[in-house]
Amino acid sequence: SQTIHQWPATLVQPVGSPLSLECTVEGTSNPNLYWYRQAAGRGLQLLFYSVGIGQISSEVPQNLSASRPQDRQFILSSKKLLLSDSGFYLCAWTARDRVSYEQYFGPGTRLTVT
Amino acid sequence: RKEVEQDPGPFNVPEGATVAFNCTYSNSASQSFFWYRQDCRKEPKLLMSVYSSGNEDGRFTAQLNRASQYISLLIRDSKLSDSATYLCVVNWGYGGATNKLIFGTGTLLAVQP
Repeated sequence: SQTIHQWPATLVQPVGSPLSLECTVEGTSNPNLYWYRQAAGRGLQLLFYSVGIGQISSEVPQNLSASRPQDRQFILSSKKLLLSDSGFYLCAWTARDRVSYEQYFGPGTRLTVT
Repeated sequence: RKEVEQDPGPFNVPEGATVAFNCTYSNSASQSFFWYRQDCRKEPKLLMSVYSSGNEDGRFTAQLNRASQYISLLIRDSKLSDSATYLCVVNWGYGGATNKLIFGTGTLLAVQP
């Protein structure tokens, strides 16, 4: 069966510090991968998605970036965090050949920028 | 018009009650529809897909009306454990490799003892 991991689970970082969040998927090959952010009391906002190694599409212009160095690894980064970057960051995957397109989420990283 | 719109609630219902959530979507080209459940401070989890003919999974029934661009979720015999936020989710565009999903902001359900 497929599993998706994210770490760290919780992170408190000062404004201006760098960020690196990691997501890995097990039990599947060639998945589509997604990064979402959920701010307190808000809906999920799609940040990036990737259909393959090195292929990243950005949905929202901001000070975040994403990379996919391996097939089942997806990384979210920032060089300098802003207060507005606080939120719940979720990684999700879907099978490329699945017609119904449902996505499965990792446990998330709760980021507080102070 | 929002891409996916839901009543935020909260819906406060007694145990055993029947409760219905509604959702509207703006993109007539959408092909896939889902309900996700999100517990407090947890990740969303797929509850059920929504099919054109309507579908049922135990106490949960989902309906789709493409003409009105409307989705519903009915929960019968509510349990305390059903308390959560229910997210209406719609795929965007014509499918393909990107498979973007648009999430509603969710409807909060609180089942009271």
